[in-house]
Amino acid sequence: GQNIDQPTEMTATEGAIVQINCTYQTSGFNGLFWYQQHAGEAPTFLSYNVLDGLEEKGRFSSFLSRSKGYSYLLLKELQMKDSASYLCAVRPELTGGGNKLTFGTGTQLKVEL
Amino acid sequence: EAQVTQNPRYLITVTGKKLTVTCSQNMNHEYMSWYRQDPGLGLRQIYYSMNVEVTDKGDVPEGYKVSRKEKRNFPLILESPSPNQTSLYFCASSPKTSPIFQETQYFGPGTRLLVL
Repeated sequence: GQNIDQPTEMTATEGAIVQINCTYQTSGFNGLFWYQQHAGEAPTFLSYNVLDGLEEKGRFSSFLSRSKGYSYLLLKELQMKDSASYLCAVRPELTGGGNKLTFGTGTQLKVEL
Repeated sequence: EAQVTQNPRYLITVTGKKLTVTCSQNMNHEYMSWYRQDPGLGLRQIYYSMNVEVTDKGDVPEGYKVSRKEKRNFPLILESPSPNQTSLYFCASSPKTSPIFQETQYFGPGTRLLVL
């Protein structure tokens, strides 16, 4: 089976740094994605990791350790608009060229003044 | 503009009345998928399609049907909706993937369904 764990909620202060963790246990591994989702809206792609290490993209960075089944999303210089749900998703396998993702339940981040 | 569209965006219906939610993408993507999103359960895949006339069950297919007669369209059919199918539904598409490239899924705007 597939299991992806993330904290349910986090709160941080505007301008600060926050780290959202994700641990996974899946039948296979072919990449980990982070998505941002504002309330009532579609998820939007943030980052992708398939090899161990850190991927940086502006204020957002994502880290992966495949041996530990662990990833984190790092958000720097937090802004109020970063208040959203952050979804961790794993692609367990490449099913005949498909792109099947298994999602965690998401971490609701609240940014306060 | 590259996009995934869904219709309707909001729907209230009654138990047992057949309904179809349409999904269309203009990016020539091979792969399309339907998800439902419920509080505390996250996004769960209902059905997916790897190409025209090729569909397969996801994690929660019961009570749903799909078809893929054209590459751009992937409708979700609820033959006899029940209240437990009240949810937020997302359609997504992506090109054929490989382990090298970060082919992400592009999501539609969502359809909020209430079954009374």
